[in-house]
Amino acid sequence: DVKVTQSSRYLVKRTGEKVFLECVQDMDHENMFWYRQDPGLGLRLIYFSYDVKMKEKGDIPEGYSVSREKKERFSLILESASTNQTSMYLCASSFSGPKSSPLHFGNGTRLTVT
Amino acid sequence: DQQVKQNSPSLSVQEGRISILNCDYTNSMFDYFLWYKKYPAEGPTFLISISSIKDKNEDGRFTVFLNKSAKHLSLHIVPSQPGDSAVYFCAASADRKLQFGAGTQVVVTP
Repeated sequence: DVKVTQSSRYLVKRTGEKVFLECVQDMDHENMFWYRQDPGLGLRLIYFSYDVKMKEKGDIPEGYSVSREKKERFSLILESASTNQTSMYLCASSFSGPKSSPLHFGNGTRLTVT
Repeated sequence: DQQVKQNSPSLSVQEGRISILNCDYTNSMFDYFLWYKKYPAEGPTFLISISSIKDKNEDGRFTVFLNKSAKHLSLHIVPSQPGDSAVYFCAASADRKLQFGAGTQVVVTP
């Protein structure tokens, strides 16, 4: 069974801090994604990656960056955390595109920025 | 602007009855549609999908219907069970990315 592990379940950070959210998958998946989930807005794509050292912007990349140095690990970085980045962050991976391979999600990281 | 819309934030249904969840989309380039289910404190899990070349796909108690001309899809759960209480997200794809709706909270009552 595919396992997507997000390093922290809950995080509390201060405004202006640099924040790292880590995600590891154990199924050698090519694709990895970072979403944020907010009430009334559903899941919105922040960044995704189709290969090591490769990244593409999603729908809401502003204020975020990512790093994928190894195939199994995809990190989301908040360069200078702000209160409007308080959210649930979900990492996902897939073997190929959505028509042949569904996304597998981690359990999420609830980030609070004060 | 959200391209995938779930206009009902919540739905309450009696155990054993049918649950019908609706989803509308605006992008005519979407050609693949999925439903995900999410329990509290867990990530979403894949439930069922449908390609735009079909109008119906069934998997056990779950059936998804697609009406391309109306840009509308629906998920039917028959019969509803207490374990179906969760948030259901509709998603659509035109390439390798998924666009998600806001979700519908389903509560199945005894």
